[in-house]
Amino acid sequence: DVKVTQSSRYLVKRTGEKVFLECVQDMDHENMFWYRQDPGLGLRLIYFSYDVKMKEKGDIPEGYSVSREKKERFSLILESASTNQTSMYLCASGTTGVKEKLLFGSGTQLSVL
Amino acid sequence: LAKTTQPISMDSYEGQEVNITCSHNNIATNDYITWYQQFPSQGPRFIIQGYKTKVTNEVASLFIPADRKSSTLSLPRVSLSDTAVYYCLVGERYGGATNKLIFGTGTLLAVQP
Repeated sequence: DVKVTQSSRYLVKRTGEKVFLECVQDMDHENMFWYRQDPGLGLRLIYFSYDVKMKEKGDIPEGYSVSREKKERFSLILESASTNQTSMYLCASGTTGVKEKLLFGSGTQLSVL
Repeated sequence: LAKTTQPISMDSYEGQEVNITCSHNNIATNDYITWYQQFPSQGPRFIIQGYKTKVTNEVASLFIPADRKSSTLSLPRVSLSDTAVYYCLVGERYGGATNKLIFGTGTLLAVQP
């Protein structure tokens, strides 16, 4: 069964900590995405990647960085976590092309105290 | 930007047909229209995709008029389990390589007994 796996379902961190959110897909997809979801704001794109070592900013990249050293893995990094980064984080992957369909992970609920 | 506009919420009763319309006035010639469904505490999942006219699968139908500036997701005979947030997406081409997929705030469909 094909899937996108996020390393943690729930995560609690302290302000100022460096946080790593990991995402792995097993479908050999070229594209991977990180979104955050907050009540009333829908899903907002943080970063995406269309190839290994390639990354592009989404709509809200401030305070985040990403890493894609292998095709199947896309990491989201919070360099210095802040309380306003408390959110649900969703990773997705998809193939290149106009018919792109995303497959999402189950999400990581991050709380920054 | 091929942004989308949907109603914030809709109410329905079990057994009714529900139609959710999405506006995408700036859709590009090659862009497909994709709809996703999201249940609480889960990632969105793909339900249907189309380019023009009508597409039907086991879950829903998608109606797209000739000018493609809007689309309508039709859910036949909804049940309580169809209560979810529904998103429509139109790809925003990035460098010819992939889509910068931007979700809107979605439509919360509440189905009542």
